[in-house]
Amino acid sequence: DTGVSQDPRHKITKRGQNVTFRCDPISEHNRLYWYRQTLGQGPEFLTYFQNEAQLEKSRLLSDRFSAERPKGSFSTLEIQRTEQGDSAMYLCASSYNTGELFFGEGSRLTVL
Amino acid sequence: DQQVKQNSPSLSVQEGRISILNCDYTNSMFDYFLWYKKYPAEGPTFLISISSIKDKNEDGRFTVFLNKSAKHLSLHIVPSQPGDSAVYFCAASANGGKLTFGTGTRLTIIP
Repeated sequence: DTGVSQDPRHKITKRGQNVTFRCDPISEHNRLYWYRQTLGQGPEFLTYFQNEAQLEKSRLLSDRFSAERPKGSFSTLEIQRTEQGDSAMYLCASSYNTGELFFGEGSRLTVL
Repeated sequence: DQQVKQNSPSLSVQEGRISILNCDYTNSMFDYFLWYKKYPAEGPTFLISISSIKDKNEDGRFTVFLNKSAKHLSLHIVPSQPGDSAVYFCAASANGGKLTFGTGTRLTIIP
């Protein structure tokens, strides 16, 4: 399977803990995106990379959120000191330049 | 600030009939528009797109229409099939940047 893969698929954590999600994009794709989706809403943009450079970060993104793509391949999204409001589906997508985005199946975060 | 709006949260259509999903946008800089389909517990999958230089794009049973003056686009599915039941998201981008999504329309095809 050469699609976008995300790990873990589901994470349950206690408030105040740190969590990290990993995304492996389609291998020939140079762009990688992170989105967040809550119930009844569309995917909300968080940040995106072109190769290893982080080109844009949402102004809504708290300083507790950080994303990296160290070698221009896989990416990690870390949330520090989680809050109940962070509970959501975290979606990763990749694309080749400005083409359509291909999404992974998402990582669902539940903060207790 | 919801730049992409899907005002119908849900739509039910008889199998074999036409499904029409609507989307409005406010940002005049948007120049590329896409429709995504999402099943439960899966990520969104790309369906069809249209550039702002066109007003129609067709792919099999799916056609997207763009009315730039009205800042409106629509997705037509004909004939509708039970497997089309899903949530449909409209999305837009400007100058090759990030996609901005609408809130989605849940389409139910009635057999």
